[in-house]
Amino acid sequence: EVQLVQSGGGLVKPGGSLRLSCAASGFTFSDVWMSWVRQAPGKGLEWVGRIKSKTDGGTTDYAAPVKGRFIISRDDSKNTLYLQMNSLKSEDTAVYYCTARGSFDYWGQGTRVTVSS
Amino acid sequence: QSVLTQPPSASGTPGQRVTISCSGSSSNIGSNTVNWYQQLPGTAPKLLMYSNNQRPSGVPDRFSGSRSGTSASLAISGLQSEDEADYYCAAWDDSLNGPVFGGGTKLTVL
Repeated sequence: EVQLVQSGGGLVKPGGSLRLSCAASGFTFSDVWMSWVRQAPGKGLEWVGRIKSKTDGGTTDYAAPVKGRFIISRDDSKNTLYLQMNSLKSEDTAVYYCTARGSFDYWGQGTRVTVSS
Repeated sequence: QSVLTQPPSASGTPGQRVTISCSGSSSNIGSNTVNWYQQLPGTAPKLLMYSNNQRPSGVPDRFSGSRSGTSASLAISGLQSEDEADYYCAAWDDSLNGPVFGGGTKLTVL
């Protein structure tokens, strides 16, 4: 059974940093492209960024609103995906989901991030 | 303002057929496949349809998808109360170099 279990999140002040984690199981993590998608309160879904498998170069792509502030990384030895969020703004307040595969086939349970003073 | 346009709401009675539309442009739906996601209240989204009309294992055949030009649609036949959820379309956008989502459609089963 595929599982994506997220951790991290919480309340952080504007300008602060936070790291989210996503532990994967039930599939060959190293072979899969992983993404982060967020959902602001009462709003729709927004793609944050993705990281390709190392076989496909391991490169990252980001949505314009987070480029230069967020960093996606992966540790294939731990089957874990990370999202390092820096210079956080109030508009980054959302539930963040990790997803697996190009069609976002599988989703984590989500973790709430609140940016507020 | 979402790149893909969906009606904010839709409704139907049990047993009815409901269709949800998703409108885009040549840089997204017009040149890439469409996926649909179902988000039940208080839960994470779930992949409902991929590559325009392919159902993942476990998704009932009451759900069907189609794409024509720069638009796509999701049809639900034999509507059931458990279908009450938010539905989102998504497609890769060649201009933005990333996937884009519709604003979501809240389906109410009356």
